[in-house]
Amino acid sequence: AQSVTQLGSHVSVSEGALVLLRCNYSSSVPPYLFWYVQYPNQGLQLLLKYTSAATLVKGINGFEAEFKKSETSFHLTKPSAHMSDAAEYFCAVRGGTGRRALTFGSGTRLQVQP
Amino acid sequence: ETGVTQTPRHLVMGMTNKKSLKCEQHLGHNAMYWYKQSAKKPLELMFVYSLEERVENNSVPSRFSPECPNSSHLFLHLHTLQPEDSALYLCASSQDGQANTEAFFGQGTRLTVV
Repeated sequence: AQSVTQLGSHVSVSEGALVLLRCNYSSSVPPYLFWYVQYPNQGLQLLLKYTSAATLVKGINGFEAEFKKSETSFHLTKPSAHMSDAAEYFCAVRGGTGRRALTFGSGTRLQVQP
Repeated sequence: ETGVTQTPRHLVMGMTNKKSLKCEQHLGHNAMYWYKQSAKKPLELMFVYSLEERVENNSVPSRFSPECPNSSHLFLHLHTLQPEDSALYLCASSQDGQANTEAFFGQGTRLTVV
């Protein structure tokens, strides 16, 4: 079965600092990986997705993620944090025959300090 | 209207009440999902519908009853809920058969059981 693990339930950075949110996946087949963001009392919004076309994926709001098969990782980064980036971030995977729904990690809450 | 719309946004109900959550998608998708998001727990997949047929039911108690009358609408009927059922209920849709496509989420219904 496909799964993802997000290391660190809370991450705090200063405004302007690098953001790094970690995600490792477990999949017996090439995975399709996604990062979503959730602002308070909102639904989930797609940031970016990996679909095997390129290992470095650029998303919205200046975020990007790199797929590393050797490390089974898909970490999310942003060079310079902004106050508006404070939210919860979820890594998700879809993989395997007939598996329609996404399986989500437990989430990482990002706090941005002024 | 565009995207995925959920109503109501907030719902408070007693344990003996019967209520329904509604979800509507305007994206032309053929798969719809209910997720439960509780505090300090990962997103839990509850039900999956594909082409209006329930294809996945993840050990959800019978007090939750889904209904998918057509590919654009999904309901979650609630009866005799427990306080631990209080959570954010998220509806999502996607295009089935394309593993590299993302799921689109509604804003959620914040349910409080008193």
